[in-house]
Amino acid sequence: DGGITQSPKYLFRKEGQNVTLSCEQNLNHDAMYWYRQDPGQGLRLIYYSQIVNDFQKGDIAEGYSVSREKKESFPLTVTSAQKNPTAFYLCASSIARRGKNEQFFGPGTRLTVL
Amino acid sequence: GQNIDQPTEMTATEGAIVQINCTYQTSGFNGLFWYQQHAGEAPTFLSYNVLDGLEEKGRFSSFLSRSKGYSYLLLKELQMKDSASYLCAVRDHNAGNMLTFGGGTRLMVKP
Repeated sequence: DGGITQSPKYLFRKEGQNVTLSCEQNLNHDAMYWYRQDPGQGLRLIYYSQIVNDFQKGDIAEGYSVSREKKESFPLTVTSAQKNPTAFYLCASSIARRGKNEQFFGPGTRLTVL
Repeated sequence: GQNIDQPTEMTATEGAIVQINCTYQTSGFNGLFWYQQHAGEAPTFLSYNVLDGLEEKGRFSSFLSRSKGYSYLLLKELQMKDSASYLCAVRDHNAGNMLTFGGGTRLMVKP
């Protein structure tokens, strides 16, 4: 089955620790995205990547870092510099051509920083 | 920048019709998407509009007016499972074709 996986579903960390969230897709999509969602809010773009070894900052990149060494993988690191990291994190992917190109989302990781 | 507005919450009755509105301001409009998101789950794609008019897909329809910066999602024959948040997202070619999401409309369907 093709799809996007994120692990783990729930993650707890102590304040001041870096943590890396996993995102893998086997849809052969070129573009991948990371969003943050706070309770009762819409999605805000953290980082995106349209091709391997290249990525761009989104609207709220401060305190986060990413890498795109493989087409299938786009891990997100939440660093200790992120002032309010507790949130629901969603990874998405899409093809990168003209047209509809809807984004497909993974199941999300709920991060709680204690 | 972009500004996307949708109502925060709506309530409707099972079997009825509900219309969820979305207004937007963007400099380089390149498509509008509607997603459904059940609590604690990932958003799933519902519809896409890039030209003016109505797109129908089963019980769900979506309408777009580019001149008015306005879209709506119409849900017919409401079912209890339609209780979810509905997210409006606009793609802007002046922003690298990235999506900007509205805050979402939480729909509660009552018996």
